[in-house]
Amino acid sequence: GAGVSQTPSNKVTEKGKYVELRCDPISGHTALYWYRQSLGQGPEFLIYFQGTGAADDSGLPNDRFFAVRPEGSVSTLKIQRTERGDSAVYLCASSLSGGPYTQYFGPGTRLTVL
Amino acid sequence: KNEVEQSPQNLTAQEGEFITINCSYSVGISALHWLQQHPGGGIVSLFMLSSGKKKHGRLIATINIQEKHSSLHITASHPRDSAVYICAVRFSGTASKLTFGTGTRLQVTL
Repeated sequence: GAGVSQTPSNKVTEKGKYVELRCDPISGHTALYWYRQSLGQGPEFLIYFQGTGAADDSGLPNDRFFAVRPEGSVSTLKIQRTERGDSAVYLCASSLSGGPYTQYFGPGTRLTVL
Repeated sequence: KNEVEQSPQNLTAQEGEFITINCSYSVGISALHWLQQHPGGGIVSLFMLSSGKKKHGRLIATINIQEKHSSLHITASHPRDSAVYICAVRFSGTASKLTFGTGTRLQVTL
């Protein structure tokens, strides 16, 4: 079956602009995670959804970052007033449920803020 | 502080060699994951374990809960094993959030 998909694969934007990154999880997976990976580093947790609700948003770096999952499937990560330091690969993963389940990762969206 | 450390950071091996990558973590966990990331590619989950040992093909993952340490072994390494291997843990009491190591970059040459 289809894996986790993310769009766009690449996004170049200018400092100060607003961007939206989309994640389409594996069908039937109730848990969805957003991570951010800077060059040469391991991924860092941003936010975890269980169904429609954000069960843990402790990794969001500041209030410019926001994520939604209104119908419990597709999720959108929104970044306002982008800064050069936001440049990274944004990864999405999903799992059958929260807890001790394998997380399946999408290919990521490479965001470059000029 | 909840931390995950991997060693080595970089590893070069010749085809056929036995490879070990290590991961240590600071406090109790509920699960540990080993992940593989190819250059420009996505992340693939190799193992999830909370005790003992798991094997899949030429890959073996072990964990020692008391010592807060896990190892990933690759037997009979091959150039296609070249990738970044990442250890990630779910610390106890942190729900489903994963904390990642910085990865081990493996290069297997002919």
